[in-house]
Amino acid sequence: RKEVEQDPGPFNVPEGATVAFNCTYSNSASQSFFWYRQDCRKEPKLLMSVYSSGNEDGRFTAQLNRASQYISLLIRDSKLSDSATYLCAVFYGGSQGNLIFGKGTKLSVKP
Amino acid sequence: SQTIHQWPATLVQPVGSPLSLECTVEGTSNPNLYWYRQAAGRGLQLLFYSVGIGQISSEVPQNLSASRPQDRQFILSSKKLLLSDSGFYLCAWSASLDSVGYEQYFGPGTRLTVT
Repeated sequence: RKEVEQDPGPFNVPEGATVAFNCTYSNSASQSFFWYRQDCRKEPKLLMSVYSSGNEDGRFTAQLNRASQYISLLIRDSKLSDSATYLCAVFYGGSQGNLIFGKGTKLSVKP
Repeated sequence: SQTIHQWPATLVQPVGSPLSLECTVEGTSNPNLYWYRQAAGRGLQLLFYSVGIGQISSEVPQNLSASRPQDRQFILSSKKLLLSDSGFYLCAWSASLDSVGYEQYFGPGTRLTVT
């Protein structure tokens, strides 16, 4: 049973486009949510944390919908440098702080 | 600021050989530490986590083991590598859970190829 699911993509968009990814999770008790960015053959890097209804950082907006159990990541005015794989992660609680990661959504921004 | 180191960056090992990957964290005390594996085209698989020195929890049965000999040092080992052990091994840390936030921060990873 998959606990965190993402559309694998790839999402191919032109520069300047707005693109949105969704991530669904199965455990309604989930407390915290994260988006990571992973470039090819590199480690994941934390992009945004989502603890309440949402978070915004420049061109990036993360939104949480607890009723439907999904989080979304919106990227406005896409840049070539936004091309990467975006991983969703969910914290389910417990003393060890484990995160459950989705498999990622690949984004390719074209000129 | 906190930094996390892993070495080696790349490793090619024959089947049946031993393995030792090291991870160290600087700039924080009593972190939670994690070992993940990411196989080609697949998601992150949590292998081990540790909430303190000598405390290791395993998430999946395998021929790998982990140790935490010091507060900020985490080691991944194997006595005999299998072909299926090939992958991208990532170490991560997070603050201990008496603080707010559960973000994990990853090291640069070790790319292991078992031949």
